Amino acid sequence: ETGVTQSPTHLIKTRGQQVTLRCSSQSGHNTVSWYQQALGQGPQFIFQYYREEENGRGNFPPRFSGLQFPNYSSELNVNALELDDSALYLCASSLGPGGGTEAFFGQGTRLTVV
Amino acid sequence: KNEVEQSPQNLTAQEGEFITINCSYSVGISALHWLQQHPGGGIVSLFMLSSGKKKHGRLIATINIQEKHSSLHITASHPRDSAVYICAVNRITGNQFYFGTGTSLTVIP
Repeated sequence: ETGVTQSPTHLIKTRGQQVTLRCSSQSGHNTVSWYQQALGQGPQFIFQYYREEENGRGNFPPRFSGLQFPNYSSELNVNALELDDSALYLCASSLGPGGGTEAFFGQGTRLTVV
Repeated sequence: KNEVEQSPQNLTAQEGEFITINCSYSVGISALHWLQQHPGGGIVSLFMLSSGKKKHGRLIATINIQEKHSSLHITASHPRDSAVYICAVNRITGNQFYFGTGTSLTVIP
């Protein structure tokens, strides 16, 4: 079992609202990446945070924003929620920003926008 | 075309069968990961490979860098192995995972 925990596990929001999802990183890891997984699809990269700075971003609009704290935990914020934002949001914690390092995933937050 | 392709998309096996899931990729990679996802759940990392072969219990993963191909094998499959298995790669350049669409495995008692 990994030390990556996400909260909350499930969430229902109304279109237009804002949401904050949280992810704790594995002990010793300084990099957190966020992914969106729509039903029946593979995860899509949202962005990555390394040592409190954004270190790469996928094809997501600016209303998806993030933050990383000094303890390397991270938040994903989504403003002006749309129905298509309904998905499983996964975070992955890794030792560094590049490839070739082991990554640990959280259990995900299931967001439903109604 | 996706950078990462998996086959088969769906697989049903009888308990005890030997199972193989394949992954092909089209980009230069620094590592390939095999991941397991149970319905509605998060992802568990099974293996990280950059060359050769790894074994953990009944699971074996192999990679051929020259052919850009990896396989995940499950020996003596069990119903608790039922899950979606996902192949993901780290490209040599860049800092994100690229995921295959997953193989949904159902093992019948």
